[in-house]
Amino acid sequence: GDSVTQMEGPVTLSEEAFLTINCTYTATGYPSLFWYVQYPGEGLQLLLKATKADDKGSNKGFEATYRKETTSFHLEKGSVQVSDSAVYFCALINPNNAGNMLTFGGGTRLMVKP
Amino acid sequence: EAGVAQSPRYKIIEKRQSVAFWCNPISGHATLYWYQQILGQGPKLLIQFQNNGVVDDSQLPKDRFSAERLKGVDSTLKIQPAKLEDSAVYLCASSQGGTVSYNEQFFGPGTRLTVL
Repeated sequence: GDSVTQMEGPVTLSEEAFLTINCTYTATGYPSLFWYVQYPGEGLQLLLKATKADDKGSNKGFEATYRKETTSFHLEKGSVQVSDSAVYFCALINPNNAGNMLTFGGGTRLMVKP
Repeated sequence: EAGVAQSPRYKIIEKRQSVAFWCNPISGHATLYWYQQILGQGPKLLIQFQNNGVVDDSQLPKDRFSAERLKGVDSTLKIQPAKLEDSAVYLCASSQGGTVSYNEQFFGPGTRLTVL
């Protein structure tokens, strides 16, 4: 079945540091890929998405590129802020499956220190 | 626009008791999802509705879990009887639905269940 693997946290960075959170996936066909973010005390929010190979999703300074050759969708940000502290989830939707079920990775907690 | 509403936000019960969760999706959203998020893990789909019909319930433990969406709007998820391993956050999400391969899912704040 489909699966998503992301690096374990927590990831602790100083403000203005460069961020990379690795994500790889296993799925048949051509899934759509997503990053969701969960801020403390809040619900899951869509951060960015990419629906085909070589697409780059971007939002709030975060970027991720859909790499089919390496089955990866790594999340990057050039300069993190304290307000970026949250849990980040990589996820996919496989159009071969019934419905639009999201398959999530285990999440990576990011802690940014001032 | 109001988001996805869930209640209660927190629930503590003893094992073998019953519990029910309620979800009100975003107005006009045809598709509703229930996910289970165990501490330290990503959410896992339990059941998906399209209007009042079930699209996917393959991961719902049907011996103890049930869900309904009778009028195609609100939904309830029930656990009877609860086990210790059911302790988790139960997330409800909704999307516009239809035949598009992807529609953004909007998540509610979740219900945190603790089974003692």
